[in-house]
Amino acid sequence: QVQLQESGPGLVKPSQTLSLTCTVSGGSISSGGYYWGWIRQQPGKGLEWIGYIYETESTYYSPPLKSRVTISADPSMNQFSLRLSSVTAADTAVYYCARASGAYSDNWFDSWGQGTLVTVSS
Amino acid sequence: SYELTQPPSVSVSPGQTASITCSGDKLGQGYVCWYQQKPGQSPVLVIYQDSKRPSGIPERFSGSNSGNTATLTITGTRAMDEADYYCQAWDRTAKRYVFGAGTKVTVL
Repeated sequence: QVQLQESGPGLVKPSQTLSLTCTVSGGSISSGGYYWGWIRQQPGKGLEWIGYIYETESTYYSPPLKSRVTISADPSMNQFSLRLSSVTAADTAVYYCARASGAYSDNWFDSWGQGTLVTVSS
Repeated sequence: SYELTQPPSVSVSPGQTASITCSGDKLGQGYVCWYQQKPGQSPVLVIYQDSKRPSGIPERFSGSNSGNTATLTITGTRAMDEADYYCQAWDRTAKRYVFGAGTKVTVL
């Protein structure tokens, strides 16, 4: 059973870059057929898809965030990462990493990390 | 932008059927999936591709999708099913995944 675990700073200053890493165990991010992505949930609110990476190279981002987001993968560490630049208080959220099955435009997120709260504040 | 509309809350008595709707323009032309989220926990996939259940999800969870509305049905609802439920679909125009705002299911 694949497991995902987020890690990174819990506090980021406004205008700086948020950086998170997801470590995957029980499965390889290099094996085909899965997308490795990020989803966030602002306090007390719903879920928002940020983007994902496929086969460690192809990336897909949510258009509203695209100009600020980079998702990359490190197959040697079996990790993938999120960078979100120029953050504001609106980026305060619980950030989840997740594995998606299916195909582009028809994915479902079948494994999730426990989530990590990132607060944007000076 | 494409929006998925869910009722904020649904109440159900134990053993009864809970139906949670998710509405969006031409929603039935694509696939919908559903997640269950309990307080302080990560979401759990309960239905994908409209009506398929992942392994380990009880048979009392079922789904359908047609026209502009997808429905998650919990038959014989148990106290442990009390949670927030989110629908997810693909926004063809913006090319992104969108989620409904969530429905809180209360088992009275």
